[in-house]
Amino acid sequence: DAGVIQSPRHEVTEMGQEVTLRCKPISGHNSLFWYRQTMMRGLELLIYFNNNVPIDDSGMPEDRFSAKMPNASFSTLKIQPSEPRDSAVYFCASSLGVASAQHFGDGTRLSIL
Amino acid sequence: RKEVEQDPGPFNVPEGATVAFNCTYSNSASQSFFWYRQDCRKEPKLLMSVYSSGNEDGRFTAQLNRASQYISLLIRDSKLSDSATYLCVGGPDYKLSFGAGTTVTVRA
Repeated sequence: DAGVIQSPRHEVTEMGQEVTLRCKPISGHNSLFWYRQTMMRGLELLIYFNNNVPIDDSGMPEDRFSAKMPNASFSTLKIQPSEPRDSAVYFCASSLGVASAQHFGDGTRLSIL
Repeated sequence: RKEVEQDPGPFNVPEGATVAFNCTYSNSASQSFFWYRQDCRKEPKLLMSVYSSGNEDGRFTAQLNRASQYISLLIRDSKLSDSATYLCVGGPDYKLSFGAGTTVTVRA
């Protein structure tokens, strides 16, 4: 069975550039989550969707971050403009329901120079 | 106060030993609990769900104590491959929260 698929696996770009991270959840899962992980701050929930609708975006650090889920099989997390402090591993996860076990993608390792 | 808190460790144990650690949660309405394991530079992977009556999966045992609002994970007969960071997850039916993780290192 295909798990959560994220792309790209690695992204290195210069500050000020727009970065778009992509996620394909597991088919049939209704909830999708975006996390950021750093050594200093651990795993942080940025935003989650239920049935394609954003439910809680209180973890989005600032207006430079935006996320969309246009359909049940695709979501994007966009950073514009990017800054060096955005460097982290970004994970996407999906689950059958908001309180069900989440399954994570491999993550995108983002480096902003 | 964080929703879910864990002792970061590290817990350094010899192969074959038993290691156990807890995780506390602050929201008494929490209903769902899980343990994940995360290896260095990898994604978190579901280890096991935690049920009210406690449950076991091979060498791993999870317990829930609602009165004191904590869950626990016990690893018996530790293997070198058990070295990882273990993340506790819990919350009400509208939002789960991850703990910062407990690092376990099993030495030969």
